[in-house]
Amino acid sequence: GIQVEQSPPDLILQEGANSTLRCNFSDSVNNLQWFHQNPWGQLINLFYIPSGTKQNGRLSATTVATERYSLLYISSSQTTDSGVYFCAVSYTGGFKTIFGAGTRLFVKA
Amino acid sequence: GAGVSQSPSNKVTEKGKDVELRCDPISGHTALYWYRQSLGQGLEFLIYFQGNSAPDKSGLPSDRFSAERTGGSVSTLTIQRTQQEDSAVYLCASSKATGGEETQYFGPGTRLLVL
Repeated sequence: GIQVEQSPPDLILQEGANSTLRCNFSDSVNNLQWFHQNPWGQLINLFYIPSGTKQNGRLSATTVATERYSLLYISSSQTTDSGVYFCAVSYTGGFKTIFGAGTRLFVKA
Repeated sequence: GAGVSQSPSNKVTEKGKDVELRCDPISGHTALYWYRQSLGQGLEFLIYFQGNSAPDKSGLPSDRFSAERTGGSVSTLTIQRTQQEDSAVYLCASSKATGGEETQYFGPGTRLLVL
């Protein structure tokens, strides 16, 4: 089945620092999303990005579908960015969504 | 408008009992997903509904798990003869599923504890 690998598994940043999170996937996908799960467990969709580049404030994402990876950029990190970031994909021809194991981010004040 | 809602927020049950978890998707969303998240883990796909099509049940872990979606809206996930390993957060998500943007919107989850 399709594999989704995220790196790094854990990340500690000083407030104000920038970071890049990576998601590798093993097969052609028709749907890729980035989510943030806050410390209270709520999942918030950040980007729907099966290909190309999008930006939303301090966050941006790029997916290179032909090379089977996606990157999430966080600039000028804030303590409220803490939580777990998940990459989720659906393979071409299906809707079953596979989540990566996540990157756990802690931003220190 | 209202987001995805789930009930109950928390459920404690005894091993062997049946439980029903409910999900109300965003109005107008035709696609509905159920996931399970064990403590400190990622999300595990359980089942997918899309309109009147047959659901994708490929993620259900055993025949003790079943789900239905009535009238293309509300969905119920039923776990029969619960086991301690069923303890987890059960999450529901919905999307427009228009063939274009397939953004999934998640509910707050139901935290299930089987004693």
